[in-house]
Parts: sequence; structure tokens; C-alpha cells
Amino acid sequence: TQLLEQSPQFLSIQEGENLTVYCNSSSVFSSLQWYRQEPGEGPVLLVTVVTGGEVKKLKRLTFQFGDARKDSSLHITAAQPGDTGLYLCAGFRGNQFYFGTGTSLTVIP
Amino acid sequence: DTGVSQDPRHKITKRGQNVTFRCDPISEHNRLYWYRQTLGQGPEFLTYFQNEAQLEKSRLLSDRFSAERPKGSFSTLEIQRTEQGDSAMYLCASSAVETQYFGPGTRLLVL
Repeated sequence: TQLLEQSPQFLSIQEGENLTVYCNSSSVFSSLQWYRQEPGEGPVLLVTVVTGGEVKKLKRLTFQFGDARKDSSLHITAAQPGDTGLYLCAGFRGNQFYFGTGTSLTVIP
Repeated sequence: DTGVSQDPRHKITKRGQNVTFRCDPISEHNRLYWYRQTLGQGPEFLTYFQNEAQLEKSRLLSDRFSAERPKGSFSTLEIQRTEQGDSAMYLCASSAVETQYFGPGTRLLVL
């Protein structure tokens, strides 16, 4: 059973377009992380959000934690080919990190 | 470079052989996690340590898998009598509080 569901599972867009990835759960998490992973490498941490309703910006990436701390979104503005990768959300609860199903993003030049 | 290292990066073995992977976490982190990841999927939790104590193990961790973290520093993950279904990326992550940092992973191929 997957605690966190991500959508969409696959996304292919043109360079310059905007996109949003969703991470949803019926469970409450004390914090939530977003990672980007490239083939053959480990996931790289992008951000940790802790407070319900929190919004964090990292250059062209905007992360939001839901008010109830059950869901999150990642918005990318003006996507670039370097944004291509597998995006993973992970919720922290009870000393464990629960990963989402992943969103594979391809940005076409 | 996250400061977490794993060795080896790649391992090819024959079915039935034993393999051992090593993880060196960030030195001031007291928590260490092992995950298994198959292509295109999110990492699946295997086990975690707080200092030298193994506090939780997944049902995925069959009796062929064993992990240790002597002295609360580096950790090893051993798979005995490997099976083709063990082929995957094995990831290690170290954590201080509610954020974890991953190593580059060990890709295992069982022939």
C-alpha cells in the first residue's frame, strides 16, 4: 500500500512551459520532502516543508505543503531541459520516510 | 556530493552468491536508512538505524538480508544467496532530523 500518490506519473513538455506535480495522501505527515533523481544516481534533496500551508521557492520551483499536512505540490515555471528527471515526494511520519510513486519529467528542447 | 558515500557503485553477481554493500553516512547524523529502488519507482524502505541500534525492518527484508551498523558509524547491507529478483538499486540515506540525504546508490545485477 502506497501512502503517497503522485500525479501525473509521466509528463513530457516543451521547454518554456509551466507544470505542476501533485503529491497526495490521506495521512498526516510532520514534514514533506521533494527530491529529484537522475538515472543511475541517488535522489537529491530539493526542499523540506514543515508547516501546513507553507510555500517555499527555489528559483523557478515553488513548493507548497497543504494546510492539513497531507498533500503537497511542486510547480515549475519555464521548464528547462535540465529539469528532466524523476521527481519524488517523501513524507516523514513516525521515524520513517514514505515515498511517493514518482513523476518522470521530460523537458524537450 | 551529499557527503554520503556508498561502495561499490555497481555489482554484478551470479545467482546464489552473497554480496555486501557499504554506506558511510554524514558523520554527525545519527540515523541511517536503507532502501531498495527498481526502475521508475520510488525507493522502498528496508531498514533503519539510530546510532548502532536497528530500530525498524520492513517485511521486504527477508531472512536473506541483514544489515549492521557497528559503532554507529558506517553500515553494511548483506544479501545472502542472491536471487534475480534482488536486482535493483540499493540506496543509503543519512538523517539528523526530518530530512535525509542520499548516497549515489549501489546498482546490483544478479545473473
